[in-house]
This record gives sequence, C-alpha cells and structure tokens, in this order.
Amino acid sequence: DAKTTQPTSMDCAEGRAANLPCNHSTISGNEYVYWYRQIHSQGPQYIIHGLKNNETNEMASLIITEDRKSSTLILPHATLRDTAVYYCIVRPGGASNTGKLIFGQGTTLQVKP
Amino acid sequence: EPEVTQTPSHQVTQMGQEVILRCVPISNHLYFYWYRQILGQKVEFLVSFYNNEISEKSEIFDDQFSVERPDGSNFTLKIRSTKLEDSAMYFCASSATSGSSEQFFGPGTRLTVL
Repeated sequence: DAKTTQPTSMDCAEGRAANLPCNHSTISGNEYVYWYRQIHSQGPQYIIHGLKNNETNEMASLIITEDRKSSTLILPHATLRDTAVYYCIVRPGGASNTGKLIFGQGTTLQVKP
Repeated sequence: EPEVTQTPSHQVTQMGQEVILRCVPISNHLYFYWYRQILGQKVEFLVSFYNNEISEKSEIFDDQFSVERPDGSNFTLKIRSTKLEDSAMYFCASSATSGSSEQFFGPGTRLTVL
C-alpha cells in the first residue's frame, strides 16, 4: 500500500475551516484515499474516501489533486468536538481487498476556542 | 444508528492467562476485523475475517491469537497465553459489502496484563 505523509499537528480556530493535508506521491491507479479520525482513544471513525474526484459528505470534503499525489481533508466549520487525530490512509479498492487499514501517526488537530 | 459493540470495556488478567474479547458487529455486515493500539502508539491491524475464515493477518497475529464467529452475531478474539506486551486497546470493526467499504469501529476493550 502507498505510504502517506501528514503533518504531526495543526491548530484551528473554532468556527473556521480546518484544512488537513496528506501526501501520497506513490499512490497507484487502483488505490483510494481514506480519511479516519480518532477522538481521544475512542475507536477510529470513518470520515470520507475518494479515488480521483473531489468528494463531500455531511462531515467533510475531500480534495484530491489531479495527479492524485496529494489530498486535503476540509472540515468546513471546525468545532471543539473535532479535536482528534486524523489519519490519511491509501489502500486498494475492489473485491480482492481484504480491508486491512494501515494507520500512520496521523495529524493531531487541536480546535481552539 | 447501528453500531459495533465490544465487551468488556476493560479486562485485567494475569500473564499466561487466556482472554476472550467479544464484539458484536453491525448486523448486516460481512467483513470483520481486529486492531490493537498500544498506549501512545498507532493503531495496528491484526486480522480480517470473511466468510468464516481469516482473509488476512499481520505478523502480530501469531499462534497465540485466534478469532471466531461462534454464532450469527458475535465475533471474538482469543489470546491463549497473555504476555505483558499484549496490554493494549483492542478494537473490533466491521464493514458491509466488501473489503474496500468503510469500516465501523467499536469503542474498544482495554486489556491490561499484569
């Protein structure tokens, strides 16, 4: 699976957009970009995923560059409850994928009042 | 909203004892997983399970570990002879239609081996 690189930590003001970057320069054509987060030792929580098009759901938006070598997770209006570790994970799609998620160290996002 | 549940929330055991960690995945899900997280470290994949057999396991998942789906609802992780280094948070997860769909994680079981 392709390796990802994320900043160790970021701060964001409450109510502002949080933009979390991820580099995945070795991503291959059949690999998706997934984002999960973990709030204070709770189980990881799925946020969003995409292949090459930008995606949006009720939690966040995912912007993937045209060359797919990097992506940005956007939390449009961060709240204190969004303080968490955010993980960018790249893994293959398709029925042959066993589902294994390889977590890195992630980005610790601190939302401040 | 359906959720993955795990019991117990905290298990304390003596080194060398067997422990069974229990999970109830979301009812219509077909793929099941165990992960662990040692305190202060990253989440690590242990095993994936589909169609009543292991589909992939990591190097961590050695002969001391086993998984089972004993009935239509439970999914268990057994550690046969616990070691101090097995102390960790163990998370169960499930996903619906394929290995590539999003995984839903339980709240975890904190295992402490003394």
